[in-house]
Amino acid sequence: GAGVSQSPRYKVAKRGQDVALRCDPISGHVSLFWYQQALGQGPEFLTYFQNEAQLDKSGLPSDRFFAERPEGSVSTLKIQRTQQEDSAVYLCASSLNDRAQYFGPGTRLTVT
Amino acid sequence: SQQGEEDPQALSIQEGENATMNCSYKTSINNLQWYRQNSGRGLVHLILIRSNEREKHSGRLRVTLDTSKKSSSLLITASRAADTASYFCATDLFRNSGNTPLVFGKGTRLSVIA
Repeated sequence: GAGVSQSPRYKVAKRGQDVALRCDPISGHVSLFWYQQALGQGPEFLTYFQNEAQLDKSGLPSDRFFAERPEGSVSTLKIQRTQQEDSAVYLCASSLNDRAQYFGPGTRLTVT
Repeated sequence: SQQGEEDPQALSIQEGENATMNCSYKTSINNLQWYRQNSGRGLVHLILIRSNEREKHSGRLRVTLDTSKKSSSLLITASRAADTASYFCATDLFRNSGNTPLVFGKGTRLSVIA
């Protein structure tokens, strides 16, 4: 079956623009996670959902970051008024019950 | 902040040799996972070891866990050029019974030279 997909794969935004990053999880996976990965670092947790409920958003770096999963499947991570420090790869992962997380290819965001 | 720390940061070996990567973590865990990330791609789950297990095998992979030392190691035997990637250990962010976010180390960059 299809894995986790993310779009766009690459996004260049001018500082101050809003961006929306999409994640399509594996069908039937109830848990969905967003991570941010800086160059040369491991992924860092941003927020996660169980079905449509956002269980924790303590990893979001600022109130410019917002995530939703209104129907419990597709999720969108929105960043308002992007700043250069937002440049990173944004990874989405989904999981069923076995704790293993299945990652998408990521969206590489570059803020100029 | 990152919970785990992999060692070494980078490792270069010849094809056919074994590669060993280590991970240390700070707090008690329920389980520990290892992931691989090829250049420019997402992470792939390799193996999960529970806190009550000491060793686990999967193909050419062997993972050990020492909870008294808060450390784990990943051994790749008979390495191939295709094993070139970054390897990360990860532990649960929240110690509950459900799926939780993961805390990753900085990774070990493995280069296997043909």
